[in-house]
Amino acid sequence: DIQMTQSPASLSASLGETVTIECRASEDIYNGLAWYQQKPGKSPQLLIYNANSLHTGVPSRFSGSGSGTQYSLKINSLQSEDVASYFCQQYYNYWTFGGGTKLELK
Amino acid sequence: EVQLVESGGVLVQPGRSMKLSCAASGFTFSSFPMAWVRQAPTKGLEWVATISTSGGSTYYRDSVKGRFTISRDNAKSTLYLQMDSLRSEDTATYYCTTGALYFDYWGQGVMVTVSS
Repeated sequence: DIQMTQSPASLSASLGETVTIECRASEDIYNGLAWYQQKPGKSPQLLIYNANSLHTGVPSRFSGSGSGTQYSLKINSLQSEDVASYFCQQYYNYWTFGGGTKLELK
Repeated sequence: EVQLVESGGVLVQPGRSMKLSCAASGFTFSSFPMAWVRQAPTKGLEWVATISTSGGSTYYRDSVKGRFTISRDNAKSTLYLQMDSLRSEDTATYYCTTGALYFDYWGQGVMVTVSS
């Protein structure tokens, strides 16, 4: 089974700051990676797929990058509505989620 | 607008059964693979099962294999999850989602509590 290790587990940042969340796969997943945002009490929502493709309607301040086993999600110019938990997910071999990153405002 | 509405969640005793349903609308249900993803209280997301467009292919995580059955009725645009021999560790919010690889759209979720 492919394991997904996400870091950090929690993060505190200021409005307008740039934030980066990392995700490491236990083996090469060939860009089969998605990122999700889950606001408190809500369902997850797809942000990024294929490691770097923005899902419909997602603001352009969100971006994804990476290859092989290392991937990252970047949020430029942090907004208050970005306070949420973020999860990575591999779909190269079955489906596995990372443990999540809780993003709060400083 | 894509809508996925889960139902069927309730409190159930360990060892008992429960069936979840997910009513889909706003898209051509029969053209999309579907999946169930769960989230234990204050925990992360965990893929449970996936079904192909026709229902002919199904996939399960190891911990539910032999106990859970995913199925679909394309005529009714409805996805199901039959859960047997429930365990306390199955306690979670269960989400219905679209997609064969990444999960495009999610329902609001339904809570399943397994406890005596």
